Amino acid sequence: ETGVTQSPTHLIKTRGQQVTLRCSSQSGHNTVSWYQQALGQGPQFIFQYYREEENGRGNFPPRFSGLQFPNYSSELNVNALELDDSALYLCASSPGLADGAYEQYFGPGTRLTVT
Amino acid sequence: AQKITQTQPGMFVQEKEAVTLDCTYDTSDQSYGLFWYKQPSSGEMIFLIYQGSYDEQNATEGRYSLNFQKARKSANLVISASQLGDSAMYFCAMREEFRNKFYFGSGTKLNVKP
Repeated sequence: ETGVTQSPTHLIKTRGQQVTLRCSSQSGHNTVSWYQQALGQGPQFIFQYYREEENGRGNFPPRFSGLQFPNYSSELNVNALELDDSALYLCASSPGLADGAYEQYFGPGTRLTVT
Repeated sequence: AQKITQTQPGMFVQEKEAVTLDCTYDTSDQSYGLFWYKQPSSGEMIFLIYQGSYDEQNATEGRYSLNFQKARKSANLVISASQLGDSAMYFCAMREEFRNKFYFGSGTKLNVKP
């Protein structure tokens, strides 16, 4: 039991719509990362937030954005959804990657389907 | 070039035997970290082991050890005494510390036979 939760579990959206995915980190974890995992592939790093500021970003367009809140929750927002955005979205929290703590605890993921 | 390469899409191992999962990486950074994760069919990603680029000793965590060969840029995972519950996808990953970016490989599906 890692203590990282994500909502919703599954989601179906139409191309062009916007979606917000939510993650609740373990208490005390000030670092959260988001990943996109297409079926049969490894996760791809979207971005990381540390103490409510973006602290690293992968090769994803600006329509992927995020927020981190003081209560250890965070959001991933995706605008103008495309069919290729269909994937499992994982969040992972850490006590402080920026502080040298390297272990990330992953949530169960949100399965997004874009039709 | 791929940042993380896992050349074994699938592997079989007999229960109680040891198995090595291969991983090579590509970075020009001096400071980086290497990780292995396990993803069972249920989907959750489980952290197994970590190796820092400056660590001189190979990391070990119970039945898991990381065979780190820096000059060859390889970070193979060794699982000793395989168990049926080890059947899962295994991902090698790297964090480039300066840019704070993470990269995952395409994974190796391990099947442990009774």
